[in-house]
Order: sequence, then structure tokens, then C-alpha cells
Amino acid sequence: GAGVSQTPSNKVTEKGKYVELRCDPISGHTALYWYRQSLGQGPEFLIYFQGTGAADDSGLPNDRFFAVRPEGSVSTLKIQRTERGDSAVYLCASSSQPGQGAGGYTFGSGTRLTVV
Amino acid sequence: QKEVEQNSGPLSVPEGAIASLNCTYSDRGSQSFFWYRQYSGKSPELIMSIYSNGDKEDGRFTAQLNKASQYVSLLIRDSQPSDSATYLCAVILGGSNYKLTFGKGTLLTVNP
Repeated sequence: GAGVSQTPSNKVTEKGKYVELRCDPISGHTALYWYRQSLGQGPEFLIYFQGTGAADDSGLPNDRFFAVRPEGSVSTLKIQRTERGDSAVYLCASSSQPGQGAGGYTFGSGTRLTVV
Repeated sequence: QKEVEQNSGPLSVPEGAIASLNCTYSDRGSQSFFWYRQYSGKSPELIMSIYSNGDKEDGRFTAQLNKASQYVSLLIRDSQPSDSATYLCAVILGGSNYKLTFGKGTLLTVNP
């Protein structure tokens, strides 16, 4: 597609439920990133995929969070046993190559997750 | 010391003035620096990238980098009300070639 697509745009879930957030990167982009932005804060890194593999998952806050990218394109961020503190905007970005020279990332419009 | 720091603002300037946004970073080995603009309720939008010391101009925007002082700034000339947004400084810190570390952002308001 023309840009990074994230679905759903909004998700309200009850505490303790499981949620999946989807990211469809720009076609041909091999690098994919998930970030989380809490209110009044800058985005915080969660995980980086190069192709199908998670090259760096050091930003995932705990083992309730997991992400996959089985075919090297679409990625799904999965959150188990959601907590109210998980409420945030989850942003996905992609790039044709990581880091310097990539010119920065193009972010999707995000998924606003609210845990009630 | 936080890895990337910005004045949280808010910064208020009159229309037509120069807005100056500042950012400092802690890792002297950092090589890549970015400014993002984020309108309320929207996702961050990349507006400038800079990799070398000095100034980089793009239209009304100028990014300035001083690696010795570990300082990067964004100047917006002839500010317009449509420039009102939160501006996020992002750095790829040394030791990584992909992980953006963001500041908290500076809220800019341009008054007509």
C-alpha cells in the first residue's frame, strides 16, 4: 500500500482480555518497528523486525507482550491479560533499511488502545 | 540524565515569528537525528533529518546540529498557525542503527 496501515484505529477492551493489533507496512519495506506512545510522552521503542525475525525485542515491557511477522510483511502485536497501564497509542513504522540512511521512519496512524 | 531531552513548553510565538525548538542528547556516539511533527490525535510525521554538524534547510525549516555540544535544534521561520503542533526530537543513539529514542516533545502554539 501507499503508507503504513494499522488496524483497528481504536480498541477498547476490558482488563484481563487479549488483544491483537495489526500493522501492514509499506510494500517492499523489510524493516518494521513497533512503538508505544503514552499520553504526554514521546514514542517508546518496543520491537524491531528485519524480515520475519525479531532482531530486537528489548523494548517489550514484559512477557504479556509478543509480536510476530510470519511472512515478512504484516505484523501483529499481541497483548495478553491486558492491564489499564497498557492503555496507549501503539505505533507501527517501516523502512526500506534500518537506521542511518533510511531517512527516518514512516509511522502508521496508530491504534489507540484503551483498557477499562 | 534522560537520553533525549526537550523543553516541554508550551512555546507560544506570534504568526510570522521564528520558533526555536531545542533538544539535547546524552550519547556522544549518536549519528542520526530527526525532527517529527505531531498534530493532536495524529501520528508523528517526519519533517527533518540531519546527520552532519551544521545547518540543514528545507523551506521554512532549518535543523542545526552541534555534536560537540550534543545539541540539535529546529528553527521554523515565518511561523504559521498551521505549525501549531508538538515537535518531537528523535535520535538514533550510538550502538544502534535503527532504534529511535524520542524526547517528550515540545508543544508549539502559533498565535494569529
